Amino acid sequence: KNEVEQSPQNLTAQEGEFITINCSYSVGISALHWLQQHPGGGIVSLFMLSSGKKKHGRLIATINIQEKHSSLHITASHPRDSAVYICASNSGGSNYKLTFGKGTLLTVNP
Amino acid sequence: DAGVIQSPRHEVTEMGQEVTLRCKPISGHDYLFWYRQTMMRGLELLIYFNNNVPIDDSGMPEDRFSAKMPNASFSTLKIQPSEPRDSAVYFCASKESGGLNEQFFGPGTRLTVL
Repeated sequence: KNEVEQSPQNLTAQEGEFITINCSYSVGISALHWLQQHPGGGIVSLFMLSSGKKKHGRLIATINIQEKHSSLHITASHPRDSAVYICASNSGGSNYKLTFGKGTLLTVNP
Repeated sequence: DAGVIQSPRHEVTEMGQEVTLRCKPISGHDYLFWYRQTMMRGLELLIYFNNNVPIDDSGMPEDRFSAKMPNASFSTLKIQPSEPRDSAVYFCASKESGGLNEQFFGPGTRLTVL
């Protein structure tokens, strides 16, 4: 059974700081997803990656398949980045069934 | 495109009542997913469909839960009878076929069972 662990559970930063959120999973996967959920509940897919690194604006996601580990980095953090960040992996033999981490609550103070 | 549409956005009901949640996926998406989110358990997959056919319903908690997809543009998740422990936010998501495409989530339905 695939298990997904995230750390830290909560993270508070000052505006402008570099932020890293970590995600580890227990079995081989097809892809790793990073999702963002703002207060009020909407969920947005940030990245889906199966190897290497992806960048979108100030957000960078990396994955190390051998170590079963992924990181989400936010450069020059801003209060609007405050949200819950969730990683999820494809579990078992299915490409589409996602197993989710518990999420990281990020608060960026001005 | 309007994105994934869910209704109602909020539902308050009493224990024992039947609850029906609705979802309209993005046009052209072949996969539809139902998720439940609670404080204790986080996000969990309940069931997903491909071309209107249920593929994996192993996450459906018990027989009180049922889901249907009568056509490519509509799906329902029904709880009968509802219980207080069913209180959660229920999300619907859809994706295109053909590879590992991202899922697009609806705004969710916040269900409260009293």
